[in-house]
Amino acid sequence: EAGVVQSPRYKIIEKKQPVAFWCNPISGHNTLYWYLQNLGQGPELLIRYENEEAVDDSQLPKDRFSAERLKGVDSTLKIQPAELGDSAVYLCASSPTTGDATQYFGPGTRLLVL
Amino acid sequence: QKEVEQDPGPLSVPEGAIVSLNCTYSNSAFQYFMWYRQYSRKGPELLMYTYSSGNKEDGRFTAQVDKSSKYISLFIRDSQPSDSATYLCAFYGGSQGNLIFGKGTKLSVKP
Repeated sequence: EAGVVQSPRYKIIEKKQPVAFWCNPISGHNTLYWYLQNLGQGPELLIRYENEEAVDDSQLPKDRFSAERLKGVDSTLKIQPAELGDSAVYLCASSPTTGDATQYFGPGTRLLVL
Repeated sequence: QKEVEQDPGPLSVPEGAIVSLNCTYSNSAFQYFMWYRQYSRKGPELLMYTYSSGNKEDGRFTAQVDKSSKYISLFIRDSQPSDSATYLCAFYGGSQGNLIFGKGTKLSVKP
């Protein structure tokens, strides 16, 4: 069974530029998460989807971050414009269904904003 | 008081040693207690988890939960260089539908 797929793996941009990350969850997993992981820290939730609905986006900085999950499968996370402080690893995870504690993570996208 | 506390280490042990990793938490609503392993430049990998209290064993790994003390542990027996990674505790339950992670403990097992 294929795991969570993310692309790109690495991205270097200049500040004020836009950037987008893509995630394909494990087949059949209804719940999708985007987490942010800063150096030396554990992942922190940005947004959680149940199918195509964003059910928890309270930690998403909505002035510059946006996300979508069309058709309840793939998801895209966008930052526009990027700031220096956005340099981090952006992780996507999925779980089979609502209330399932087991979450499976992708390899992450490592973003560097110059 | 932070919701989850985990000593970031680093922790360095010789091959074959028994390793003890720990986390404390404050939210009584947590019901699932997870351990993730994260190799450098990789995503977290679910190692094992426990529902409610008690112990769970999987090969060289044992997870323990003490809900009365709000304390969880992961023991690694006969540690191997391949165990060198960052170990993240994570908690699930209560009103949120996402995992709450500790900062992670960086472990190095020397041959």
